[in-house]
Amino acid sequence: DSGVTQTPKHLITATGQRVTLRCSPRSGDLSVYWYQQSLDQGLQFLIQYYNGEERAKGNILERFSAQQFPDLHSELNLSSLELGDSALYFCASSVAPGGGGDTQYFGPGTRLTVL
Amino acid sequence: GQQVMQIPQYQHVQEGEDFTTYCNSSTTLSNIQWYKQRPGGHPVFLIQLVKSGEVKKQKRLTFQFGEAKKNSSLHITATQTTDVGTYFCAVSDNYGQNFVFGPGTRLSVLP
Repeated sequence: DSGVTQTPKHLITATGQRVTLRCSPRSGDLSVYWYQQSLDQGLQFLIQYYNGEERAKGNILERFSAQQFPDLHSELNLSSLELGDSALYFCASSVAPGGGGDTQYFGPGTRLTVL
Repeated sequence: GQQVMQIPQYQHVQEGEDFTTYCNSSTTLSNIQWYKQRPGGHPVFLIQLVKSGEVKKQKRLTFQFGEAKKNSSLHITATQTTDVGTYFCAVSDNYGQNFVFGPGTRLSVLP
């Protein structure tokens, strides 16, 4: 158990819908990262927040957005869902802002299925 | 953008055989991390390498950072079925503005 929690575990929805994925980092960690992992694919970095502020942006679509709240939990919002958005979405957390090799602890993931 | 390659993509070995995966970057790295993801699981941090030519060992696993800090390797001696999974390298720049995971090497171990 990494100490990072993600809800829900599974999510099934239809195209065009909007969903919100939630992540609670490890106690004491200030950074939250979001990743997308499609079937048999690698990890695509989406976005990182540090202490409530956006820190780094990866290959995140405009239909996707995220935020980190004062209590440090984070939400990833996915809208106008398409079939290709079906994937495993991981959240990871770390103590520091990142860079210089900050260890990331991954949550169990949310499996999103878009029908 | 930063390019990270891993070879091989897949590796099937007989239990007891050795295994090596390589990670190559197009740019000089400040550090490199290795993660393991078991089937159906989430990535788990294994180790971080920072210094040029650094070698670190964890039981049967040996990690090496190239002298030019552009490549790294993970070697497993005498594989076991518990080693099954996908091994990812991950790199970032000094400012964490560009964090990239390699495509991974999927290891299968036949008993």
